[in-house]
Amino acid sequence: KNQVEQSPQSLIILEGKNCTLQCNYTVSPFSNLRWYKQDTGRGPVSLTIMTFSENTKSNGRYTATLDADTKQSSLHITASQLSDSASYICVVSAVTNAGKSTFGDGTTLTVKP
Amino acid sequence: DAGITQSPRHKVTETGTPVTLRCHQTENHRYMYWYRQDPGHGLRLIHYSYGVKDTDKGEVSDGYSVSRSKTEDFLLTLESATSSQTSVYFCATIPGTDYEQYFGPGTRLTVT
Repeated sequence: KNQVEQSPQSLIILEGKNCTLQCNYTVSPFSNLRWYKQDTGRGPVSLTIMTFSENTKSNGRYTATLDADTKQSSLHITASQLSDSASYICVVSAVTNAGKSTFGDGTTLTVKP
Repeated sequence: DAGITQSPRHKVTETGTPVTLRCHQTENHRYMYWYRQDPGHGLRLIHYSYGVKDTDKGEVSDGYSVSRSKTEDFLLTLESATSSQTSVYFCATIPGTDYEQYFGPGTRLTVT
């Protein structure tokens, strides 16, 4: 069964600090991995998308890494801001699944002043 | 947001009543999806569509039906709402071939 596991479940950091969120998956055969940010009360918004051949993808202060061999990804947030407080969701798609994706449960990040 | 709107945005209904949620997109995307999001479960796929009149079930499809008679509209129907269907429902579309999804603003449904 395809699975996506995220850690930690929740995280509290001080404004200005960096943090790293983890995503492990068992989806196969792998097509792509996406990270989404979901603010409270809103729909998820895409941060990055990576295919098999990509190791790193950046979007401003967000940098995602992918190790397809170990089936792990991380999302690194640099110089956190209060507006980074949100849920971060890792999503993985398989080549054979015609648009179906496997979602992680998300990591809830709280940035405190 | 890929021009996705959902209606209604909030609804309270009673157990046993039928409910229809609407997803409307303006970008002519082929794929459309309905998810539900509950605490501790993340987003779970209910149904999806890969074209007009072409739909398929997701992992939590029991108690739900869908219809897509036009490219721009994807309807989710709860034939007889139950309290377990209290949730936030998200619609999503795929604009390209890499399966990156764009999500609507969500509909909060409460079944009493």
